[in-house]
Amino acid sequence: GAGVSQSPRYKVAKRGQDVALRCDPISGHVSLFWYQQALGQGPEFLTYFQNEAQLDKSGLPSDRFFAERPEGSVSTLKIQRTQQEDSAVYLCASSLGLGQGGNQPQHFGDGTRLSIL
Amino acid sequence: LAKTTQPISMDSYEGQEVNITCSHNNIATNDYITWYQQFPSQGPRFIIQGYKTKVTNEVASLFIPADRKSSTLSLPRVSLSDTAVYYCLVGDHGGGYNKLIFGAGTRLAVHP
Repeated sequence: GAGVSQSPRYKVAKRGQDVALRCDPISGHVSLFWYQQALGQGPEFLTYFQNEAQLDKSGLPSDRFFAERPEGSVSTLKIQRTQQEDSAVYLCASSLGLGQGGNQPQHFGDGTRLSIL
Repeated sequence: LAKTTQPISMDSYEGQEVNITCSHNNIATNDYITWYQQFPSQGPRFIIQGYKTKVTNEVASLFIPADRKSSTLSLPRVSLSDTAVYYCLVGDHGGGYNKLIFGAGTRLAVHP
């Protein structure tokens, strides 16, 4: 596909369960980002990959959150022992690569809406 | 980090020009100003980016004064489909990549 694809679009889980969210970035994009968006708020940065290397995970809210991108393309965000406050939309974005200044637009997927009961 | 301030909401009517102003008093020398648009149940979509003066594309114009402490997104002749949340961002280039810092954005409602 031409854009960033995320699956599933919706996920409902019971508190305490583990979940895995998938992101297929645009082919050839070096940079991959995960964001969390609460209802009525702007997206908040979680983590960043350059190819397979996770260079920044400063936004991950706790050690229950884990992300990987083993082959430098598809990425998975895993949340262990989910809690109700994890309910949010999880957005993935990719960009072509490192650019000078801020001139590398990020292309977002439509997100996974996670609901924890 | 350069913080941005923009109106929480705006209302307009079809066919009007809409100007959304964003303040970023602490913008750094190397920072660019970027605007994204987000529709319900979709991810943000890049609209326009600039460093100084004026930038125009097929969707919008971006006006940046010389001191770069603010910027204005201009949407010409809006339609109902322009109803969305608009985010103004200033890039964070720590580590050599642009980690986007979103605020709450401006909710634009276009009325018939």
